[in-house]
Amino acid sequence: GESVGLHLPTLSVQEGDNSIINCAYSNSASDYFIWYKQESGKGPQFIIDIRSNMDKRQGQRVTVLLNKTVKHLSLQIAATQPGDSAVYFCAETTNNAGNMLTFGGGTRLMVKP
Amino acid sequence: DGGITQSPKYLFRKEGQNVTLSCEQNLNHDAMYWYRQDPGQGLRLIYYSQIVNDFQKGDIAEGYSVSREKKESFPLTVTSAQKNPTAFYLCASSPRGLEQFFGPGTRLTVL
Repeated sequence: GESVGLHLPTLSVQEGDNSIINCAYSNSASDYFIWYKQESGKGPQFIIDIRSNMDKRQGQRVTVLLNKTVKHLSLQIAATQPGDSAVYFCAETTNNAGNMLTFGGGTRLMVKP
Repeated sequence: DGGITQSPKYLFRKEGQNVTLSCEQNLNHDAMYWYRQDPGQGLRLIYYSQIVNDFQKGDIAEGYSVSREKKESFPLTVTSAQKNPTAFYLCASSPRGLEQFFGPGTRLTVL
């Protein structure tokens, strides 16, 4: 069936470096994508979203890139900080799926001081 | 404060017991969801409700039950039929067409 997945289960970066977390999706009809951050023992928190009519969206220190040609989504975190250490999930949905999200398996980001 | 609350934060169950996890939201969201998360894993959908008095099974509904009698409440019962209930349970809500907002979670452990 359709699925959303991640390339790397764990990413380790040095504090101050930029981080890039990747996500592949297989449903070509997906038109809305979200990145969530989940700290240990807590619920996921919304970070940033992007619609399929865009290929880039920027927030505070975060940028999401969408490549519909290869069905690839990425989250870039600038100047990674220890507080960024968490598991990051991508999620996608389509127009006719209502509020139903399909979640990827997650990538653990570890920031080394 | 507006938001989603889940209680209790930690819950222990003896084998053969039913337990109910609470989820309340005061965001006036129509849709609510329950997910299960196992250690090091992603989120799997148990049940969801798009409107009051209506709910649908998700991918792993066996051994669980829900009700949606009020817009702000969506309790989840883990029944004795659920053979491996130890997990982290997350509730979420969503206004139509937008992202889901998550509660803090309930960690259920079977003794």
